[in-house]
Amino acid sequence: AQKVTQAQTEISVVEKEDVTLDCVYETRDTTYYLFWYKQPPSGELVFLIRRNSFDEQNEISGRYSWNFQKSTSSFNFTITASQVVDSAVYFCALKAGGTSYGKLTFGQGTILTVHP
Amino acid sequence: EAGVVQSPRYKIIEKKQPVAFWCNPISGHNTLYWYRQNLGQGPELLIRYENEEAVDDSQLPKDRFSAERLKGVDSTLKIQPAELGDSAVYLCASSFGPSTEAFFGQGTRLTVV
Repeated sequence: AQKVTQAQTEISVVEKEDVTLDCVYETRDTTYYLFWYKQPPSGELVFLIRRNSFDEQNEISGRYSWNFQKSTSSFNFTITASQVVDSAVYFCALKAGGTSYGKLTFGQGTILTVHP
Repeated sequence: EAGVVQSPRYKIIEKKQPVAFWCNPISGHNTLYWYRQNLGQGPELLIRYENEEAVDDSQLPKDRFSAERLKGVDSTLKIQPAELGDSAVYLCASSFGPSTEAFFGQGTRLTVV
């Protein structure tokens, strides 16, 4: 079975603050893929990043960065210098192998509100 | 390149009525997903197709829900009869393969009254 836990239900910050969204996953498979999605108020899920289990390099894309640590089964997402447009629900998700190969399992999501 | 297209965007029906949702995935994407998202929760998988084959429908309430993916392209999800608890957003997604990222449509917001 695979599971994704996002312990932070809601986070509220003021613009320009840095914010980190936590994600912890569970899987017995050695090959798996981790994802982050953004769901703005419009409702559409927007793909942000994909990381496979063999690549533990952290990634930075503009103000976004991701920290993947297999030792703690975590895949955390940091927004630097947050902006009001970053306000959305963010979901961490997992695709694992085995009998569930290809199944995309989501966490419960973290509501991020960035105040001006 | 066109994204995943879903219709309708919104649907209001009375309980016990049937309803159908349609999805056109991104061209060339072999994997198609239907998810249900309740308010304040993450999406939950209903069914996943690899080409025409439903490879994971363990979460689909088969007594009232059905789905098909003809010719391995478009897909339809049907509920008959609808219940009040079916009110949710129904999301369709597609991916090139089972290990790649999925791209989502805008969803259909279903309200059952």
